[in-house]
Amino acid sequence: GAVVSQHPSRVICKSGTSVKIECRSLDFQATTMFWYRQFPKQSLMLMATSNEGSKATYEQGVEKDKFLINHASLTLSTLTVTSAHPEDSSFYICSAREGQVSEKLFFGSGTQLSVL
Amino acid sequence: GQNIDQPTEMTATEGAIVQINCTYQTSGFNGLFWYQQHAGEAPTFLSYNVLDGLEEKGRFSSFLSRSKGYSYLLLKELQMKDSASYLCAVGNQGGKLIFGQGTELSVKP
Repeated sequence: GAVVSQHPSRVICKSGTSVKIECRSLDFQATTMFWYRQFPKQSLMLMATSNEGSKATYEQGVEKDKFLINHASLTLSTLTVTSAHPEDSSFYICSAREGQVSEKLFFGSGTQLSVL
Repeated sequence: GQNIDQPTEMTATEGAIVQINCTYQTSGFNGLFWYQQHAGEAPTFLSYNVLDGLEEKGRFSSFLSRSKGYSYLLLKELQMKDSASYLCAVGNQGGKLIFGQGTELSVKP
C-alpha cells in the first residue's frame, strides 16, 4: 500500500521556539494533504487542508499565522508551529490523498510535540 | 453542520463478538470509514462503506444505512491485540474526513 512518511516522530522544544513537521508521500503524488491534531483520549481534529501550489485552507478556530503550512511539491507538505506554547503540545498527524478518491487516504505515523 | 456520535468505551471478552455503533449527521456524504488506532500511533484503515449494506473483511465487518445515518463495526473472534480505539469518520463532498470521538475497546481474557 501507499506510504506516508512523517518526521520527526517526537520533538521536545522550549516555549517560544518554532517547530517544523514534514509529511511526505513516498510512492504516490498527493495534490491534497490534511493536517490533524489529537489531544490525549480525544479524536483527530482537522486543522487544515493543504493543496499543492496554493494556500492552505484552515478550519474554523485554527490560527493560520501560528500554524504555517507549505505544500511546495506533490510529495511534501510541512507544518510549522510558530512560537510554540505548552498548550500546543499535542499529537500532530498528516494524511495524504492519492487522487481525488476519499478512500485512498493514507496517514503518516504522527508527531508527538511537547512544549516545555 | 456535522456531528458524529459513538460510544466512548466498550469492554468485551476474548473470543467474543462486539459491535461498535456510529451515528452521524453531515452536509454532503462521501463515504463512512472505520479506523483502528493504538495509543501513540497513527490510525490504520479498516473499512469503507459508501452504499447501504454490509461489507465483510475477515474478522471485521462494517454496515451502513445512509437513510438512518447509522453505521456499525463488527469484530468477531476478538483477540487481545484488538484492544484499541476505533474511529468512525465521515467523508464529505470536499474530500475531508471528519472523525468521531473514537471508541476505546478493551478486550479482557
